Amino acid sequence: NAGVTQTPKFQVLKTGQSMTLQCAQDMNHEYMSWYRQDPGMGLRLIHYSVGAGITDQGEVPNGYNVSRSTTEDFPLRLLSAAPSQTSVYFCASRESQGLGEETQYFGPGTRLLVL
Amino acid sequence: AQKVTQAQTEISVVEKEDVTLDCVYETRDTTYYLFWYKQPPSGELVFLIRRNSFDEQNEISGRYSWNFQKSTSSFNFTITASQVVDSAVYFCALRGNNNDMRFGAGTRLTVKP
Repeated sequence: NAGVTQTPKFQVLKTGQSMTLQCAQDMNHEYMSWYRQDPGMGLRLIHYSVGAGITDQGEVPNGYNVSRSTTEDFPLRLLSAAPSQTSVYFCASRESQGLGEETQYFGPGTRLLVL
Repeated sequence: AQKVTQAQTEISVVEKEDVTLDCVYETRDTTYYLFWYKQPPSGELVFLIRRNSFDEQNEISGRYSWNFQKSTSSFNFTITASQVVDSAVYFCALRGNNNDMRFGAGTRLTVKP
Protein backbone atom coordinates (compact mmCIF):
# COMPACT_ATOMS: atom_id res chain seq x y z
CA ASN A 1 0.00 0.00 0.00
CA ALA A 2 1.20 3.52 -0.78
CA GLY A 3 -0.82 4.86 2.16
CA VAL A 4 -1.79 8.52 1.85
CA THR A 5 -0.19 10.41 -1.02
CA GLN A 6 -0.20 14.13 -1.70
CA THR A 7 0.79 16.19 -4.70
CA PRO A 8 2.50 18.53 -5.22
CA LYS A 9 5.17 18.55 -2.51
CA PHE A 10 5.78 22.24 -2.93
CA GLN A 11 3.92 25.04 -4.75
CA VAL A 12 4.34 28.77 -5.18
CA LEU A 13 1.27 30.81 -6.10
CA LYS A 14 0.57 34.45 -6.71
CA THR A 15 -2.26 36.14 -4.85
CA GLY A 16 -5.55 35.47 -6.61
CA GLN A 17 -4.45 32.31 -8.39
CA SER A 18 -6.34 29.09 -7.93
CA MET A 19 -5.04 25.59 -7.50
CA THR A 20 -5.98 22.13 -6.27
CA LEU A 21 -4.00 20.11 -3.77
CA GLN A 22 -4.39 16.42 -4.48
CA CYS A 23 -4.80 13.70 -1.87
CA ALA A 24 -5.31 9.98 -2.44
CA GLN A 25 -5.36 6.91 -0.23
CA ASP A 26 -5.37 3.24 -1.15
CA MET A 27 -6.50 1.81 2.19
CA ASN A 28 -10.26 2.04 1.43
CA HIS A 29 -10.68 4.44 4.33
CA GLU A 30 -14.05 6.15 4.66
CA TYR A 31 -12.87 9.19 6.58
CA MET A 32 -10.51 11.73 5.03
CA SER A 33 -9.53 15.19 6.16
CA TRP A 34 -7.34 18.20 5.42
CA TYR A 35 -5.27 20.10 7.97
CA ARG A 36 -3.04 23.10 7.77
CA GLN A 37 0.03 23.50 9.95
CA ASP A 38 1.26 26.95 10.90
CA PRO A 39 4.17 27.76 13.23
CA GLY A 40 3.17 27.67 16.89
CA MET A 41 -0.40 26.57 16.14
CA GLY A 42 -0.23 22.83 15.63
CA LEU A 43 -2.53 21.37 13.00
CA ARG A 44 -5.98 22.79 12.37
CA LEU A 45 -8.78 20.98 10.57
CA ILE A 46 -9.97 22.61 7.33
CA HIS A 47 -12.54 20.16 5.90
CA TYR A 48 -13.34 16.52 6.33
CA SER A 49 -15.35 13.79 4.64
CA VAL A 50 -16.99 10.74 6.19
CA GLY A 51 -17.52 9.03 2.85
CA ALA A 52 -17.93 9.56 -0.88
CA GLY A 53 -20.34 12.39 -1.57
CA ILE A 54 -20.24 13.75 2.00
CA THR A 55 -18.10 16.65 3.19
CA ASP A 56 -18.21 19.02 6.12
CA GLN A 57 -16.34 22.02 7.50
CA GLY A 58 -13.69 21.88 10.16
CA GLU A 59 -12.18 24.60 12.29
CA VAL A 60 -10.77 26.85 9.51
CA PRO A 61 -12.76 26.25 6.28
CA ASN A 62 -12.84 29.76 4.79
CA GLY A 63 -11.10 30.07 1.44
CA TYR A 64 -11.12 26.33 0.74
CA ASN A 65 -13.45 23.96 -1.09
CA VAL A 66 -13.49 20.18 -1.13
CA SER A 67 -15.36 17.40 -2.87
CA ARG A 68 -15.37 13.61 -2.48
CA SER A 69 -16.48 11.89 -5.64
CA THR A 70 -14.61 8.65 -4.86
CA THR A 71 -13.49 6.88 -1.71
CA GLU A 72 -9.85 7.22 -2.75
CA ASP A 73 -9.56 10.92 -3.58
CA PHE A 74 -10.14 14.08 -1.55
CA PRO A 75 -8.85 17.20 -3.35
CA LEU A 76 -8.58 20.59 -1.66
CA ARG A 77 -9.24 23.65 -3.80
CA LEU A 78 -8.06 27.19 -3.24
CA LEU A 79 -10.25 29.38 -5.46
CA SER A 80 -8.35 32.65 -4.95
CA ALA A 81 -5.14 32.22 -3.02
CA ALA A 82 -4.18 34.72 -0.33
CA PRO A 83 -0.86 35.16 1.53
CA SER A 84 -2.65 34.02 4.72
CA GLN A 85 -2.97 30.60 3.11
CA THR A 86 0.79 30.13 3.09
CA SER A 87 1.16 26.98 5.16
CA VAL A 88 1.93 23.29 5.12
CA TYR A 89 -1.10 21.19 4.25
CA PHE A 90 -1.61 17.64 5.43
CA CYS A 91 -4.17 15.17 4.22
CA ALA A 92 -5.18 12.32 6.52
CA SER A 93 -7.38 9.24 6.41
CA ARG A 94 -8.75 6.64 8.79
CA GLU A 95 -11.04 3.62 8.58
CA SER A 96 -14.35 4.94 9.81
CA GLN A 97 -16.10 8.05 11.00
CA GLY A 98 -17.10 6.62 14.31
CA LEU A 99 -15.21 6.75 17.56
CA GLY A 100 -13.24 3.54 17.62
CA GLU A 101 -9.83 2.02 17.47
CA GLU A 102 -8.96 3.44 14.08
CA THR A 103 -5.65 5.24 13.67
CA GLN A 104 -5.36 8.34 11.52
CA TYR A 105 -2.65 8.23 8.85
CA PHE A 106 -1.14 11.40 7.43
CA GLY A 107 0.26 12.14 3.99
CA PRO A 108 3.73 13.68 3.58
CA GLY A 109 2.40 17.24 3.31
CA THR A 110 2.28 20.00 0.68
CA ARG A 111 4.21 23.20 1.35
CA LEU A 112 2.35 26.17 -0.17
CA LEU A 113 3.75 29.68 -0.53
CA VAL A 114 1.42 32.46 -1.65
CA LEU A 115 3.17 35.64 -2.74
CA ALA B 1 -15.20 22.88 23.22
CA GLN B 2 -12.15 20.69 22.93
CA LYS B 3 -8.71 22.02 23.55
CA VAL B 4 -5.19 20.64 23.87
CA THR B 5 -2.45 22.59 25.59
CA GLN B 6 1.24 21.84 25.28
CA ALA B 7 2.77 24.50 27.48
CA GLN B 8 6.37 23.64 26.63
CA THR B 9 7.21 25.30 23.33
CA GLU B 10 10.81 24.10 23.20
CA ILE B 11 12.88 21.71 25.29
CA SER B 12 16.60 21.09 24.97
CA VAL B 13 18.36 18.18 26.68
CA VAL B 14 21.66 16.42 26.43
CA GLU B 15 21.76 12.89 25.11
CA LYS B 16 20.88 10.18 27.68
CA GLU B 17 18.82 12.55 29.79
CA ASP B 18 15.18 11.68 30.46
CA VAL B 19 12.62 14.19 29.25
CA THR B 20 8.87 14.57 29.80
CA LEU B 21 6.59 16.36 27.39
CA ASP B 22 3.41 17.68 28.96
CA CYS B 23 -0.08 17.58 27.49
CA VAL B 24 -3.24 18.90 29.13
CA TYR B 25 -6.62 18.56 27.46
CA GLU B 26 -10.15 19.85 27.84
CA THR B 27 -13.30 18.10 26.69
CA ARG B 28 -16.89 17.63 27.81
CA ASP B 29 -17.13 14.26 26.08
CA THR B 30 -17.12 11.17 28.25
CA THR B 31 -15.61 9.08 25.48
CA TYR B 32 -12.56 10.37 23.72
CA TYR B 33 -9.16 9.39 22.36
CA LEU B 34 -5.76 10.92 23.00
CA PHE B 35 -2.83 10.70 20.62
CA TRP B 36 0.83 11.56 20.33
CA TYR B 37 2.50 12.19 16.98
CA LYS B 38 6.15 12.84 16.17
CA GLN B 39 7.21 15.21 13.39
CA PRO B 40 10.92 14.80 12.60
CA PRO B 41 12.84 17.41 10.60
CA SER B 42 11.80 15.66 7.39
CA GLY B 43 8.26 16.90 8.06
CA GLU B 44 6.08 13.80 8.05
CA LEU B 45 3.77 13.00 10.95
CA VAL B 46 4.48 9.71 12.67
CA PHE B 47 1.84 8.11 14.88
CA LEU B 48 3.19 7.09 18.30
CA ILE B 49 0.28 6.12 20.52
CA ARG B 50 -3.49 6.21 21.00
CA ARG B 51 -5.31 5.89 24.34
CA ASN B 52 -9.03 5.86 24.97
CA SER B 53 -10.67 7.61 27.87
CA PHE B 54 -11.57 4.37 29.65
CA ASP B 55 -8.05 3.04 29.79
CA GLU B 56 -5.87 4.84 32.29
CA GLN B 57 -3.12 2.26 32.35
CA ASN B 58 0.27 3.71 31.69
CA GLU B 59 2.01 2.35 28.64
CA ILE B 60 5.66 1.69 27.93
CA SER B 61 7.17 1.05 24.52
CA GLY B 62 10.93 0.77 24.63
CA ARG B 63 12.31 4.12 25.76
CA TYR B 64 8.88 5.76 25.44
CA SER B 65 6.25 5.85 28.15
CA TRP B 66 2.93 7.60 28.55
CA ASN B 67 1.15 8.66 31.72
CA PHE B 68 -2.61 9.22 31.33
CA GLN B 69 -4.37 10.80 34.32
CA LYS B 70 -8.03 11.69 33.91
CA SER B 71 -8.09 13.42 37.31
CA THR B 72 -5.74 16.10 35.99
CA SER B 73 -6.74 15.81 32.30
CA SER B 74 -3.17 15.10 31.36
CA PHE B 75 -1.47 12.72 28.97
CA ASN B 76 2.27 13.17 29.40
CA PHE B 77 4.98 11.56 27.32
CA THR B 78 8.38 10.58 28.70
CA ILE B 79 11.45 9.63 26.70
CA THR B 80 14.03 7.76 28.75
CA ALA B 81 17.72 7.99 27.87
CA SER B 82 17.07 10.40 25.03
CA GLN B 83 18.95 10.13 21.76
CA VAL B 84 19.77 12.63 19.03
CA VAL B 85 17.28 10.85 16.74
CA ASP B 86 14.51 11.82 19.17
CA SER B 87 14.91 15.45 18.09
CA ALA B 88 11.57 16.42 16.58
CA VAL B 89 8.36 18.31 17.20
CA TYR B 90 5.89 16.27 19.22
CA PHE B 91 2.16 16.84 19.02
CA CYS B 92 -0.51 15.76 21.45
CA ALA B 93 -4.04 15.47 20.00
CA LEU B 94 -7.59 14.79 21.19
CA ARG B 95 -10.56 13.34 19.33
CA GLY B 96 -13.97 13.36 20.96
CA ASN B 97 -17.49 12.58 19.82
CA ASN B 98 -17.29 14.76 16.76
CA ASN B 99 -15.10 13.91 13.84
CA ASP B 100 -12.26 16.32 14.16
CA MET B 101 -8.98 15.88 15.94
CA ARG B 102 -7.69 18.84 17.93
CA PHE B 103 -3.93 19.25 18.14
CA GLY B 104 -1.77 21.05 20.61
CA ALA B 105 0.71 23.61 19.34
CA GLY B 106 3.55 21.11 19.63
CA THR B 107 6.76 20.86 21.64
CA ARG B 108 10.08 21.08 19.82
CA LEU B 109 12.55 18.70 21.44
CA THR B 110 16.26 19.10 20.72
CA VAL B 111 18.59 16.40 21.96
CA LYS B 112 22.22 17.47 21.89
CA PRO B 113 25.06 14.96 21.64
